Amino acid sequence: EPEVTQTPSHQVTQMGQEVILRCVPISNHLYFYWYRQILGQKVEFLVSFYNNEISEKSEIFDDQFSVERPDGSNFTLKIRSTKLEDSAMYFCASSDVAGYTFGSGTRLTVV
Amino acid sequence: GIQVEQSPPDLILQEGANSTLRCNFSDSVNNLQWFHQNPWGQLINLFYIPSGTKQNGRLSATTVATERYSLLYISSSQTTDSGVYFCAVSKRADSWGKLQFGAGTQVVVTP
Repeated sequence: EPEVTQTPSHQVTQMGQEVILRCVPISNHLYFYWYRQILGQKVEFLVSFYNNEISEKSEIFDDQFSVERPDGSNFTLKIRSTKLEDSAMYFCASSDVAGYTFGSGTRLTVV
Repeated sequence: GIQVEQSPPDLILQEGANSTLRCNFSDSVNNLQWFHQNPWGQLINLFYIPSGTKQNGRLSATTVATERYSLLYISSSQTTDSGVYFCAVSKRADSWGKLQFGAGTQVVVTP
């Protein structure tokens, strides 16, 4: 069964550093997404991406965040100048008419 | 935005028991999915079910879109069913847009 692949599975970074989270969506999906889940809380939408541009973003997705599709397979989330409150599980997802498939997540810890 | 409420918030089951989880949503939706978040944090797609009934092994789901609720049934529960069950909805009718998640139902199945 096709999968969404995320790397790394865990990342620890110092406050103020930049991190890049990587994802390989399912190859024939057209919509890509990033979500995050702070420990013990609900899953929150960050951004959706279609046709090489952002189609929708939440109020969480401010200038600290950016997304990119640098080639035909990868989809990245960059977080600049990380803060303690950015610690969370970050999920990448892609979708087609049959619904969403989520990756296994990257657990980001900012220390 | 759409409000998604799940009940109960917590559920403790003995192995072999049956249970029903509920998801209410505040507005009409065109897409609805149920996910299982396992103890490792992975989000597993269970059902894409904007309306009607579907079954997959011991799990089944029913969505009554006109009454704005969906039910997830777990029969003959096993310890591997433990985790958090999320309902997520979207108003968009095309290949999805952002999903709005409920707060989840934490299920613990004891041997």
